Amino acid sequence: GAVVSQHPSWVICKSGTSVKIECRSLDFQATTMFWYRQFPKQSLMLMATSNEGSKATYEQGVEKDKFLINHASLTLSTLTVTSAHPEDSSFYICSARASPGIGELFFGEGSRLTVL
Amino acid sequence: GENVEQHPSTLSVQEGDSAVIKCTYSDSASNYFPWYKQELGKRPQLIIDIRSNVGEKKDQRIAVTLNKTAKHFSLHITETQPEDSAVYFCAAAYSGGGADGLTFGKGTHLIIQP
Repeated sequence: GAVVSQHPSWVICKSGTSVKIECRSLDFQATTMFWYRQFPKQSLMLMATSNEGSKATYEQGVEKDKFLINHASLTLSTLTVTSAHPEDSSFYICSARASPGIGELFFGEGSRLTVL
Repeated sequence: GENVEQHPSTLSVQEGDSAVIKCTYSDSASNYFPWYKQELGKRPQLIIDIRSNVGEKKDQRIAVTLNKTAKHFSLHITETQPEDSAVYFCAAAYSGGGADGLTFGKGTHLIIQP
């Protein structure tokens, strides 16, 4: 199957700093990528849809200025958690489809963020 | 928007027995229903999916059934094995020509007792 890679896999930062997470599609081009957030023992919550060359579409309740998304190329989307606070600590995971239309989502390895 | 309910939250079965996980969805326009398996600390991986033009799909020990009228779908795992232990998520999406993300259920922690 298609491969989606995320970096870093884990990060610890101080409160008030910003953290950038990268999501790459390694063997296919992805005009759209999706960012999810997962708390321990909970489900995946869609945060936003990242669109190559245009603004991301955020789900209700997700702060655009807090979670900056940039999809600068067909193989890279980045999520920046700005001015991180302990409540932002979570598992962030990206995904993408390898072909147009509805179908299998391929997930990255996830990035575990801990804000001290 | 879509709302997906999943039951049970935890399911413990004896090795070799069958396991059934059920989901309901709210948006009658949804037409794609995948099931993902997530092992601890790892990424979710698709195990089976079904589209709304099909009522049942089977892949070896795994099967999914879909009842569009009742808006529910189920995952069936037969002859369970220890490696089936994981969290399973159902999801729903509508392929309206856009690039829609999946709405996930809350997950079922499946425990296979030896």
